[in-house]
Amino acid sequence: DVKVTQSSRYLVKRTGEKVFLECVQDMDHENMFWYRQDPGLGLRLIYFSYDVKMKEKGDIPEGYSVSREKKERFSLILESASTNQTSMYLCATQSGGREQYFGPGTRLTVT
Amino acid sequence: SQQGEEDPQALSIQEGENATMNCSYKTSINNLQWYRQNSGRGLVHLILIRSNEREKHSGRLRVTLDTSKKSSSLLITASRAADTASYFCALGSSNTGKLIFGQGTTLQVKP
Repeated sequence: DVKVTQSSRYLVKRTGEKVFLECVQDMDHENMFWYRQDPGLGLRLIYFSYDVKMKEKGDIPEGYSVSREKKERFSLILESASTNQTSMYLCATQSGGREQYFGPGTRLTVT
Repeated sequence: SQQGEEDPQALSIQEGENATMNCSYKTSINNLQWYRQNSGRGLVHLILIRSNEREKHSGRLRVTLDTSKKSSSLLITASRAADTASYFCALGSSNTGKLIFGQGTTLQVKP
């Protein structure tokens, strides 16, 4: 079975802090995704990566950056956290254009 | 909007009844996928149906796709309390593997 892990289930940060969310997968999938999920807005794609050191912007990349130095690890970075980035963050992996496998999510609160 | 529009937004049924959720969309698709999310958790893939398929089954799940009407439905037969969750359709429209998620249907199955 594919296993996708995220570094934290819950995280509380202060406005202006730099925040790192990490996602690790164990199935050698080439594609990895970061989403945020907010009530009434569904899942929105922030960034995705289809190979090491490759990244593409999703629908809402502003305020975020990503890093993929190794195939199994995809990090989401909030350079200066703001209260409007309080959300549930979900990482997913995929191979061959098929289904995505999701991590358990990180609920981030920015105060 | 490019995302899938799901209907109804919320559904409450008794255990043993069938549950039907619908997804309509406006873009052309390569495939359409259904996912389930238990409260506060990551999404779990249920079924993928390709644009040249009309119906797929998996256990108590039946998915139909009508590309002429740009719509899909997910039927859960003989529902159980454990089926209580949110269900999302996701549109796959390219070979990048990117998905566009609907806002979901919240299903409550009462024991």
